[in-house]
Amino acid sequence: DAGITQSPRHKVTETGTPVTLRCHQTENHRYMYWYRQDPGHGLRLIHYSYGVKDTDKGEVSDGYSVSRSKTEDFLLTLESATSSQTSVYFCAIGGQSGGVYEQYFGPGTRLTVT
Amino acid sequence: DQQVKQNSPSLSVQEGRISILNCDYTNSMFDYFLWYKKYPAEGPTFLISISSIKDKNEDGRFTVFLNKSAKHLSLHIVPSQPGDSAVYFCAASASKTSYDKVIFGPGTSLSVIP
Repeated sequence: DAGITQSPRHKVTETGTPVTLRCHQTENHRYMYWYRQDPGHGLRLIHYSYGVKDTDKGEVSDGYSVSRSKTEDFLLTLESATSSQTSVYFCAIGGQSGGVYEQYFGPGTRLTVT
Repeated sequence: DQQVKQNSPSLSVQEGRISILNCDYTNSMFDYFLWYKKYPAEGPTFLISISSIKDKNEDGRFTVFLNKSAKHLSLHIVPSQPGDSAVYFCAASASKTSYDKVIFGPGTSLSVIP
């Protein structure tokens, strides 16, 4: 299994509070991604990173910010959490293996905003 | 508007028979396609991919077919096994040498009946 972890695994927070989710990889992959999974929508890309300090927006970036100061860590921040951000958040890393691009996912973080 | 569509939210198949999961896309710039399997409470797992220069890719019981003119791809699982019961996501990327954005479909829940 790819070395990718997420923390925390579960979090309950109140509306209006800041929340930071962490993704950590040991594979030295260049690409890292944050997705959210909601019923009927599958996985939607929030932000991604193509290198240290290089990030860009995905499909549903409003209300989220990211930072990548080291290759191994990619942080997702909800500056002021809202109930619509209750979701399961997945981090992924991407890289080449035998000339084929593959994407590996972390175990997910279940976030509940009350 | 969804760029990657999986129009069947669910599918039931008898054990030993073929499972066919379909995926359609709208963006003609997509040139790399991936399939993932996801069990409850786990992150998605990469299954198989195909580049737009091919029309078929096979890996054991899993085969992906790509019809570029129809903007359609399908995943065939033969023979289907109860352990294949999961949600399957189709995904696509528009990058040939880098993978800035990987866009997912909403998923199809496959149930393989013993």
